[in-house]
Amino acid sequence: GAVVSQHPSWVICKSGTSVKIECRSLDFQATTMFWYRQFPKQSLMLMATSNEGSKATYEQGVEKDKFLINHASLTLSTLTVTSAHPEDSSFYICSAGDLGGSYNEQFFGPGTRLTVL
Amino acid sequence: GQQVMQIPQYQHVQEGEDFTTYCNSSTTLSNIQWYKQRPGGHPVFLIQLVKSGEVKKQKRLTFQFGEAKKNSSLHITATQTTDVGTYFCAGPRDSNYQLIWGAGTKLIIKP
Repeated sequence: GAVVSQHPSWVICKSGTSVKIECRSLDFQATTMFWYRQFPKQSLMLMATSNEGSKATYEQGVEKDKFLINHASLTLSTLTVTSAHPEDSSFYICSAGDLGGSYNEQFFGPGTRLTVL
Repeated sequence: GQQVMQIPQYQHVQEGEDFTTYCNSSTTLSNIQWYKQRPGGHPVFLIQLVKSGEVKKQKRLTFQFGEAKKNSSLHITATQTTDVGTYFCAGPRDSNYQLIWGAGTKLIIKP
C-alpha cells in the first residue's frame, strides 16, 4: 500500500510557541491530504482538508488562524500549530488518498504526539 | 448533519471468543470502509464495501454492508491477541474524499 510519513513523531514545546508538523506521501502524489486530531480513547476528528495549490478547507469550530495548513506540493502538506497552549496537546494524524489506487481509502501517517507545557 | 454511529464503545472478550462491532449511518452511503488502529498506532485500512448486502471475508474477519447501505458490521471469529485494537468504520461525505468516522470499538482481550 501507499506510504505516508509524518515528522516529527513527537514534540514537546512551551506554551506560546509554534510547532510545524510535516506530512509526506512517499510513493504517490496526493492532491488532497487530511489532518485529524485524536484525543485519548476517542475517535478521529477531522480538522481540515488540505488541497494542493489552494486554501485548506477547515471543519466547523477549527480555527484556521491557529492551525495553519500549507499544501505546497503534491507530496507535502504541513500543519503549524501557532501559539500553542496545553489544550492543544493531542495526537495529530495526517492522511492522504491515492487517487490511482483501487479504493478511495486513506493512508495514514504514523501521527505526531504534541505535548504543550 | 451526517453522522456515523458505532457500538459498542468497548468489548471485553476471552481469547478465542467472537467479537462484533456495528456501524449505522444517518444517510445512505456509497461505500463504507473499515480501519484498525493498534494501541499507540495509526489507523490502517482493512476493507471497503460498496454493494448493497455485500459480505466480504478476510480470514477470521467478516464484513457486512446492509441492504439499505446504511449499516455495516465487522465480526471476528475466535479472537487472538493480535486482534487487539480499535476498529473504526468510516463513510464518505459527498465530496473531496472526506470520511465521516464512527467512534470506534475497542477490542480488549481479558487476561
